[in-house]
Amino acid sequence: EPEVTQTPSHQVTQMGQEVILRCVPISNHLYFYWYRQILGQKVEFLVSFYNNEISEKSEIFDDQFSVERPDGSNFTLKIRSTKLEDSAMYFCASSPGASYGYTFGSGTRLTVV
Amino acid sequence: AQSVSQHNHHVILSEAASLELGCNYSYGGTVNLFWYVQYPGQHLQLLLKYFSGDPLVKGIKGFEAEFIKSKFSFNLRKPSVQWSDTAEYFCAAPYGGSQGNLIFGKGTKLSVKP
Repeated sequence: EPEVTQTPSHQVTQMGQEVILRCVPISNHLYFYWYRQILGQKVEFLVSFYNNEISEKSEIFDDQFSVERPDGSNFTLKIRSTKLEDSAMYFCASSPGASYGYTFGSGTRLTVV
Repeated sequence: AQSVSQHNHHVILSEAASLELGCNYSYGGTVNLFWYVQYPGQHLQLLLKYFSGDPLVKGIKGFEAEFIKSKFSFNLRKPSVQWSDTAEYFCAAPYGGSQGNLIFGKGTKLSVKP
């Protein structure tokens, strides 16, 4: 069964550093997403990406965040100048079409110290 | 604002007990509804989804959910739970917009005692 792959599974970074979280969506999917889940809280939408551009983003996704699909395969989330409150599990997801159920990756646990 | 509400934060059941987890949504447009499960240490997996048609939806692992439009509800059920059903369950609905971004409820943690 096709999978969404995320790397690394766990990243520890110092406050103020930049991190890049990587995702390889399912190859024939067209829609890509990033969500995050702070420990003990609900899953929160960050951003959706379609046709090589951001299609929607939440209030959380401010100028500190950016996404990119650099090579038609990877889908990355960059967090500049990380803060302690950025510590969370970040999930990538992809979907073949709008309003279909997503396939989620296994997540990257980001710990900012 | 659009929202998804899950009534129960933590449910504890014994094996073979019946399960019903509540989910209510507030959304005025076309309704697509989902239940996801997150087993300990794992990622979110789709349990079932409702797009249209029969309001009783069958999912994987013996789960089902019923869409009741008049109550804005999409409750998840299983007649007889197993220890392996211990997980967190999330209801989700489209956030809006053409891409159907999902918003999730806060989740219900299910603990099944063997």
